[in-house]
Amino acid sequence: DIQMTQSPLSLSASVGDRVTITCRASQRISYYLNWYQQKPGKAPKLLIYAASSLQSGVPSRFSGSGSGTDFTLVISSLQPEDFATYFCQQSYGIPRTFGQGTRVEIK
Amino acid sequence: EVQLMESGGGLVNPGGSLRLSCAASGFTLSTYSIHWVRQAPGKGLEWVSSTIPSSDDIDYADSVKGRFTVSRDHATNSQSLQLNSLRAEDSGVYFCARESYGRLYAFDVWGQGTMVTVSS
Repeated sequence: DIQMTQSPLSLSASVGDRVTITCRASQRISYYLNWYQQKPGKAPKLLIYAASSLQSGVPSRFSGSGSGTDFTLVISSLQPEDFATYFCQQSYGIPRTFGQGTRVEIK
Repeated sequence: EVQLMESGGGLVNPGGSLRLSCAASGFTLSTYSIHWVRQAPGKGLEWVSSTIPSSDDIDYADSVKGRFTVSRDHATNSQSLQLNSLRAEDSGVYFCARESYGRLYAFDVWGQGTMVTVSS
């Protein structure tokens, strides 16, 4: 199975801050990397697919990059509605494994 | 509107069974790969199973293999997940999700989830 490792697992930030979350795969997965946002009591929401493609309707302050084993999600200017947990996921193979999640909290 | 909706969750004793359902609207479920993903309380996301359109092949996580079974109902545009021999560690919210070929197999549509609690 492909293991996905996120860092940090939690962070505190202020509105307007630039936030960076990283995700590392245990083997090369090309661009088969997706990012999801989850708020308490809600289903995950697709933000970024294929490592860097913005899902329709997602604000442009979210961006993704990377290929192979190392990937990054950046929120350029954190907004109040962005406080949530973010998960990476590989769609290269079965099982479709997820990272542990990164909780973004208000400083 | 494209939607998925899960149902069937509840409280069950260890060793018991439960049947979850995932109903689609706005698209034909059988033409997409559909995944089940679960989330234990306060924990991360765990992939459970997946189906491929036009194939009888179904994949399961090792943690549920032999205990959980997916079945498809084309007439009702839905899919079911039969949970048998349930354990406390199977407790959590169960989501079904649609895989998008055009988005490099990302899960672009999710249901709201249904809660399963395994406890005596």
